[in-house]
Amino acid sequence: DGGITQSPKYLFRKEGQNVTLSCEQNLNHDAMYWYRQDPGQGLRLIYYSQIVNDFQKGDIAEGYSVSREKKESFPLTVTSAQKNPTAFYLCASRPLAGGNTEAFFGQGTRLTVV
Amino acid sequence: QQQVKQSPQSLIVQKGGISIINCAYENTAFDYFPWYQQFPGKGPALLIAIRPDVSEKKEGRFTISFNKSAKQFSLHIMDSQPGDSATYFCAASNPGGSTLGRLYFGRGTQLTVWP
Repeated sequence: DGGITQSPKYLFRKEGQNVTLSCEQNLNHDAMYWYRQDPGQGLRLIYYSQIVNDFQKGDIAEGYSVSREKKESFPLTVTSAQKNPTAFYLCASRPLAGGNTEAFFGQGTRLTVV
Repeated sequence: QQQVKQSPQSLIVQKGGISIINCAYENTAFDYFPWYQQFPGKGPALLIAIRPDVSEKKEGRFTISFNKSAKQFSLHIMDSQPGDSATYFCAASNPGGSTLGRLYFGRGTQLTVWP
């Protein structure tokens, strides 16, 4: 089955630690995105990438980093510089050719700082 | 700056009633307007989408109404069911430039349908 896989589903981090969230897609989509979801705040864009080895900051990039070494993979690192990392993180992908089309989301990773 | 504004934040509807969620946008370059449905603990999934060359699109009980001159669009859920209880997000994107493919989301509406 084609789709987007995020792992792990739940993640606990101690203060001061970096953690990496995985996002893999087998849909052959060009663009990939990371969103953060907090209650009442909707989906806020952290980073996005339209092509391998290139990515752009979204609206809330501070304290996060990404890489796009392969088309299929777009991992997100939550660094110790992110002061309030507890949230639900969503990865999405979307084809860019053929005009605007559906974005597909993964099932999310819930990160909790302990 | 919120590119897409969504209201209401929460909505309670009786079973069989009509649920209406509204969104407004400013960027006239937007040319794709999807609605996403999200259940607790899950990722959002596309419900229905519209392009600005049509004023209405219907899929089953779900209808998007689009008013290009007012820069507004809305989701209507007819005969609302308890299974429709979820969070709904409107979104918009433009066709090109450096933000190619980026979706701008509203803040979401939590819909509760009472049996």
